[in-house]
Amino acid sequence: DQQVKQNSPSLSVQEGRISILNCDYTNSMFDYFLWYKKYPAEGPTFLISISSIKDKNEDGRFTVFLNKSAKHLSLHIVPSQPGDSAVYFCAASVAGTASKLTFGTGTRLQVTL
Amino acid sequence: DGGITQSPKYLFRKEGQNVTLSCEQNLNHDAMYWYRQDPGQGLRLIYYSQIVNDFQKGDIAEGYSVSREKKESFPLTVTSAQKNPTAFYLCASSSQALGNTEAFFGQGTRLTVV
Repeated sequence: DQQVKQNSPSLSVQEGRISILNCDYTNSMFDYFLWYKKYPAEGPTFLISISSIKDKNEDGRFTVFLNKSAKHLSLHIVPSQPGDSAVYFCAASVAGTASKLTFGTGTRLQVTL
Repeated sequence: DGGITQSPKYLFRKEGQNVTLSCEQNLNHDAMYWYRQDPGQGLRLIYYSQIVNDFQKGDIAEGYSVSREKKESFPLTVTSAQKNPTAFYLCASSSQALGNTEAFFGQGTRLTVV
């Protein structure tokens, strides 16, 4: 049972435009959400996170939006750059479980010139 | 520099052999984790440890074993009982401080059974 879902396996966006990556979850106990970026044959690197008490968190070009009622979150990258091309994983955790994360299957973002 | 070191980066194993993957961190983190990545399946949790000398099974623990004798080290043994061991293995660590914190990952070990 996939508790965290990323339904788009891939996304292609032109440089300078907005990239929107989506993530849905089914476990209502999740209260902390993270996005990781991963290059091939490397470990994921933390990008941005959001607690369930917020609906938006911004860090430079990256913004994460959380819609608790819809159990949906999204990552916006504006403007997109070629170096953003990577696989993006959405992850979620439950309070009190440290960082025991449940990951989605990832979305491969390609930013074209 | 602080970080998580996984070794080796590439590992080949013959069928029927056990193999141990190393994970060391100098971040003074209490919690450590092992994940497995397969194509199209994201990262799945194998084992995790929140304190020295204690660990819990994750979602796919069968065929694996771990130990946590030191805070800095969390080795993973892939046993011959693991039916599909070929995968990319990732070790992570996190602080147990109050509030949610992100996990930091190593560079991974690619295990191939030949």
